[in-house]
Amino acid sequence: EAGVTQSPTHLIKTRGQQATLRCSPISGHTSVYWYQQALGLGLQFLLWYDEGEERNRGNFPPRFSGRQFPNYSSELNVNALELEDSALYLCASSFRTAGADQPQHFGDGTRLSIL
Amino acid sequence: AQSVTQPDIHITVSEGASLELRCNYSYGATPYLFWYVQSPGQGLQLLLKYFSGDTLVQGIKGFEAEFKRSQSSFNLRKPSVHWSDAAEYFCAVAQTGTASKLTFGTGTRLQVTL
Repeated sequence: EAGVTQSPTHLIKTRGQQATLRCSPISGHTSVYWYQQALGLGLQFLLWYDEGEERNRGNFPPRFSGRQFPNYSSELNVNALELEDSALYLCASSFRTAGADQPQHFGDGTRLSIL
Repeated sequence: AQSVTQPDIHITVSEGASLELRCNYSYGATPYLFWYVQSPGQGLQLLLKYFSGDTLVQGIKGFEAEFKRSQSSFNLRKPSVHWSDAAEYFCAVAQTGTASKLTFGTGTRLQVTL
């Protein structure tokens, strides 16, 4: 079974640019989650998508946005990049959870570096 | 709001020694609890999870964890550490009823000496 796949592995941008990160969930999973792992800040929840809808959002500004496609893959877009956006962005997927025993499975992440 | 505390930032153990990584959580009800491991340059791998029932849960790679409600703890243990266990370990909590929005601890970096 293929795991969660993320692309690209590394992404280098400059301040003010826009970045697009992609995630393909495990087959059969309908929920996709995004987390930011920044140096010194730990793992922070960003966004949760399920069935094409944004279900929950962490404490991040609106320039962090995303979407989920009909095939359940997802994009994370970060506009007007700032130096502090440099981080490892992790995507996770799970079956739709409603009290079920369905943990999140993570990809290897996209390392975003802002110059 | 839920929160997770991992009081040990860095732990060093000798290969073959036992290991215990501490995790304390703050949540109003019985939470869903998880331990993940992250090797350098990689994502998170789920070691084990607790949802309900038996408070001692077994995971992969010989790890186990015990849920203690009275102490709000979910400590990770391994009786004999291998050099390949060197990594960063994260405890996480999620709201009961949904495993969305995991809240992670700050992580414990495990170093194994030969």
